[in-house]
Amino acid sequence: AQSVTQPDIHITVSEGASLELRCNYSYGATPYLFWYVQSPGQGLQLLLKYFSGDTLVQGIKGFEAEFKRSQSSFNLRKPSVHWSDAAEYFCAVGPYSGSARQLTFGSGTQLTVLP
Amino acid sequence: DTGVSQNPRHKITKRGQNVTFRCDPISEHNRLYWYRQTLGQGPEFLTYFQNEAQLEKSRLLSDRFSAERPKGSFSTLEIQRTEQGDSAMYLCASSLDGPTDTQYFGPGTRLTVL
Repeated sequence: AQSVTQPDIHITVSEGASLELRCNYSYGATPYLFWYVQSPGQGLQLLLKYFSGDTLVQGIKGFEAEFKRSQSSFNLRKPSVHWSDAAEYFCAVGPYSGSARQLTFGSGTQLTVLP
Repeated sequence: DTGVSQNPRHKITKRGQNVTFRCDPISEHNRLYWYRQTLGQGPEFLTYFQNEAQLEKSRLLSDRFSAERPKGSFSTLEIQRTEQGDSAMYLCASSLDGPTDTQYFGPGTRLTVL
């Protein structure tokens, strides 16, 4: 069964500092990987996705993520954090094999941005 | 593209009552998903439709839960005889069938069972 681990429950960074959120997955085949962001009381917004090809993917709001098969990781990065980036971030893996389409999510990383 | 919409946004009910939530997907999307999210956790898959056919159901979906998508457009999720453990955010997502199928989420329905 697939699983996703986000080791950091809570991260605090200063505005303007760089950010890296970690994501490790367990899946038997080629994974499809996603990062979503959730503001309080809201649904999930897609930041970026990886299906195949270039292992460095660009997303919205200046985020990028790198797929490293050897490390089973898909870490999210941003070079300079803005106060509006404060939210909860979820990494997800999808099987996309046969009829299976459900995403498996990590437990999330809460990001606090200090002024 | 108006996005995925869900109604109501909030629902407070007493234990034992039935509740129904509605999800309207992005208009051209043929796949629709329901997830449940409890506090401090990521969403957990409940069920998935392709057009009007319900193709996957999680073990989380007890027999008190039923979902429909009668004409392959909007979907409803009903919970019968609600329990306090049903309190959660219920998220709907939709996607378009294809090799890079990507799920887009609605704002969710927050259920509180007293």
